[in-house]
Amino acid sequence: DTGVSQDPRHKITKRGQNVTFRCDPISEHNRLYWYRQTLGQGPEFLTYFQNEAQLEKSRLLSDRFSAERPKGSFSTLEIQRTEQGDSAMYLCASSLDGSFGGQPQHFGDGTRLSIL
Amino acid sequence: AQSVTQLGSHVSVSEGALVLLRCNYSSSVPPYLFWYVQYPNQGLQLLLKYTSAATLVKGINGFEAEFKKSETSFHLTKPSAHMSDAAEYFCAVSGDSGGSNYKLTFGKGTLLTVNP
Repeated sequence: DTGVSQDPRHKITKRGQNVTFRCDPISEHNRLYWYRQTLGQGPEFLTYFQNEAQLEKSRLLSDRFSAERPKGSFSTLEIQRTEQGDSAMYLCASSLDGSFGGQPQHFGDGTRLSIL
Repeated sequence: AQSVTQLGSHVSVSEGALVLLRCNYSSSVPPYLFWYVQYPNQGLQLLLKYTSAATLVKGINGFEAEFKKSETSFHLTKPSAHMSDAAEYFCAVSGDSGGSNYKLTFGKGTLLTVNP
C-alpha cells in the first residue's frame, strides 16, 4: 500500500493560465474523490469517480473545472483560465466501493495552487 | 443536508493533559462519522471512524471518540496529550437520505496546540 500520490505538490501560475493536477489512488481502490481546501476551512467536496465513471460533478465550482479518470486508475483535475480565488489546496482521496458511506477515504498530501 | 460543527477553532493543552475536541453533527439518517488529523502541508490521515458497530470507537495514537445519538455528538478525546499531537483535527460525516454516501462533509477544523 503506497498511499495516494498527488503531483505536483506545489503549483504557482499566473492568472488566466490553465493548470492540471494528477492523482494516483491506492491501487485496489475503485473510488476516487477530489476536494478543495481553503485556508482555515475543512475540505470541500468537488467530484468523484467510481472506476472511470464520474458519478457526481455538480459540486465542481464552475465550468472552468473538469476532471477525468480515463482508465479507472489515475485521475486529473484541470482548471482553465485560473482566477485569484482558485488559490487553495486540492486534495485527492480514494476508497473501496461500499453500498454504505462507511468506507474510509484515504487522502493524498494535496497540490497547493497559488495564483499570482 | 448534512453538516458538522466543531466547537472551538483552537484548543490549547499542556503536555500530559486531557485532550477534548468537540464535534456535533446534523444528519437526517444514521450517520457515518470520521475524525481526521492534518499536519502542516500534508493531507488528512484517518484517526478513527464510527459506522454503527460500537458507540465508543478507538483509533490510532491513543485517540478515541464516543457517538452519542441523543446529543448528536462525536467528541474526540485522548487521556494524555503528547507534543506530537499538535495538528489540525477535522470531524466529518457521510451518508444521508439522498443517497450521497460517497462524499464527506467536514467541519472547519480545530487546531490543537500542545504546550511543554
